[in-house]
This record gives sequence, C-alpha cells and structure tokens, in this order.
Amino acid sequence: GQQVMQIPQYQHVQEGEDFTTYCNSSTTLSNIQWYKQRPGGHPVFLIQLVKSGEVKKQKRLTFQFGEAKKNSSLHITATQTTDVGTYFCAGGGSNYKLTFGKGTLLTVNP
Amino acid sequence: DTAVSQTPKYLVTQMGNDKSIKCEQNLGHDTMYWYKQDSKKFLKIMFSYNNKELIINETVPNRFSPKSPDKAHLNLHINSLELGDSAVYFCASSQFAGVQETQYFGPGTRLLVL
Repeated sequence: GQQVMQIPQYQHVQEGEDFTTYCNSSTTLSNIQWYKQRPGGHPVFLIQLVKSGEVKKQKRLTFQFGEAKKNSSLHITATQTTDVGTYFCAGGGSNYKLTFGKGTLLTVNP
Repeated sequence: DTAVSQTPKYLVTQMGNDKSIKCEQNLGHDTMYWYKQDSKKFLKIMFSYNNKELIINETVPNRFSPKSPDKAHLNLHINSLELGDSAVYFCASSQFAGVQETQYFGPGTRLLVL
C-alpha cells in the first residue's frame, strides 16, 4: 500500500535557525497536506498542495510539492519558540484515505 | 463553540473492559474519521464514515466497532481492551469524502489500559 516517509524524526534548533522537514511517497500523490500538532494538542491543518512543482508560502513557512508529485518539503525560516510541535505531511492516493507521515518533532531552544 | 468534540478526554480502564468514545461535529460535514496515535506520535487511520456509510475500514482488530447514528456523530466502541490499545484516539471530520478535503481534528481521547 501507499507509504509516506518523513524525515527527520526529530529536529532541535536554536531560535532563529531555519528548519526543514521532508516527505517522500512510494507512489505518485494526488495532493499533499501539512498539519501541525502542538505538544498535548491535536493536528491542525496548515496547507494543501495539489499541482506539480507547486510552492506556497505562509509568512515564514514555505511548502513545496515535487515535480513528480512524490515528495514535498516544509521549510521554516528563522524559527521561533511558537513553531514548536510535530509537523505531519499527509499524502492523498487513489482512495478516500490520507496517509500520514510519522511526523517531525521540532523543538526550539530560546 | 468547539467544532469537533470528543468525550471523554481521558479514559483509564482495566484490561478486558469494554469502553466507548463519542465524537460530535457541528460543522455540517458529511465525513468523519477515527485515528489512533500511538506513543511515537504515528497517526493511523482506522475508520471513516461518509453520510453514515462506512467508507474506510482499515486493518484493525474487530474488537473495535465504529457507529455513526447520524452524520454529525461517530462513536467508537472497544471490546475486551488490551494494553496495546493505550493511545490517543482522534476523531476528525471533513466537508466531503476525498483526499483533498481538509480534516478538522477533535481534541483527542487519551486512553490508558492498565
């Protein structure tokens, strides 16, 4: 079945440093979504990418969808302590199911 | 107003017991989901209902039985609880069924089986 791999599993940065998490699928995706889960919280939708090569920005966050629609990345510029949490990618396949990556836990040292 | 609510928030129970978790959404969405998040934070889809019809039924033990009395509610009943069932269970909803739909998650139910 469809698998979505996400790396790294953990990332610790100093406040102000950049952060990137990567997502790779074993199959071509119809779309990819990104969610953020704060410690003790629930996943919250950030963004969706649908088109090949698509790039979207939300303030300090930049999301990319690969040309082959099999990989994606989330880059945060100049991290802040409010960025702490687990970032999940979720890939859409040919059925109703979104397959979530295992997430990248970001911790930020102030 | 909470968009997706779950009860209870915490559930501590003994092995072998039967328990239920309830979920309600007031977003007017057609589709609802149950996810299990283990201690390593892995989010795994268990079930999904669209307009009360089961559309996703992943490989989970048949001790888990979902029920959707109407499209605003999705409950999860677990029989004969085992230690490995300890996890956070998230309910979610989306406007329609489909992988391009945004999913809205509830606050989670933290289940601990002793």
